[in-house]
Amino acid sequence: DSGVTQTPKHLITATGQRVTLRCSPRSGDLSVYWYQQSLDQGLQFLIQYYNGEERAKGNILERFSAQQFPDLHSELNLSSLELGDSALYFCASSVFQNYGYTFGSGTRLTVV
Amino acid sequence: ELKVEQNPLFLSMQEGKNYTIYCNYSTTSDRLYWYRQDPGKSLESLFVLLSNGAVKQEGRLMASLDTKARLSTLHITAAVHDLSATYFCAVDMNTDKLIFGTGTRLQVFP
Repeated sequence: DSGVTQTPKHLITATGQRVTLRCSPRSGDLSVYWYQQSLDQGLQFLIQYYNGEERAKGNILERFSAQQFPDLHSELNLSSLELGDSALYFCASSVFQNYGYTFGSGTRLTVV
Repeated sequence: ELKVEQNPLFLSMQEGKNYTIYCNYSTTSDRLYWYRQDPGKSLESLFVLLSNGAVKQEGRLMASLDTKARLSTLHITAAVHDLSATYFCAVDMNTDKLIFGTGTRLQVFP
């Protein structure tokens, strides 16, 4: 157990639907990062939050949004889902980059 | 835009042999990370390299960083089957984005 908790582990949903992925960072880590891993795009950085505020944005679609709550857990909202959104979504947390990033076990999203 | 490239993309090697995975990145960075991923699983941190000339070793794996050449290597010594996995390098360029390489899929056979 890495200390980063992601739920759910698996999600199957239909095109056009909306889902929410949840991440609880390791205790003490203020930064949360979201990544998408697909066969064709590899590991893509989506967005980062630090202590409740958006810090950096990557290749995140407008249909996707995220937030970090006062208790530091984060949610990634994916809407108007398309088949191409099927992927593994990882959350990572960090207290300081020099100590590295710790990844959760991921949520496998399948859009049918 | 920061680009991180790894080679080879696929590596099939015999047990007991040595090999090196290369990671090149396009802009200056003093921090480089190596991760291992088993199929369908999470990313496991292997090494954090923080300065030019840094070298770290864990078991049969050794990683090094040359910031001037923008190159990191992951050397595998006397490979065993348990090392079969996909290995990623990643660079964060002093921003808050961790950019991953393409990954190297390693298969070790008897």
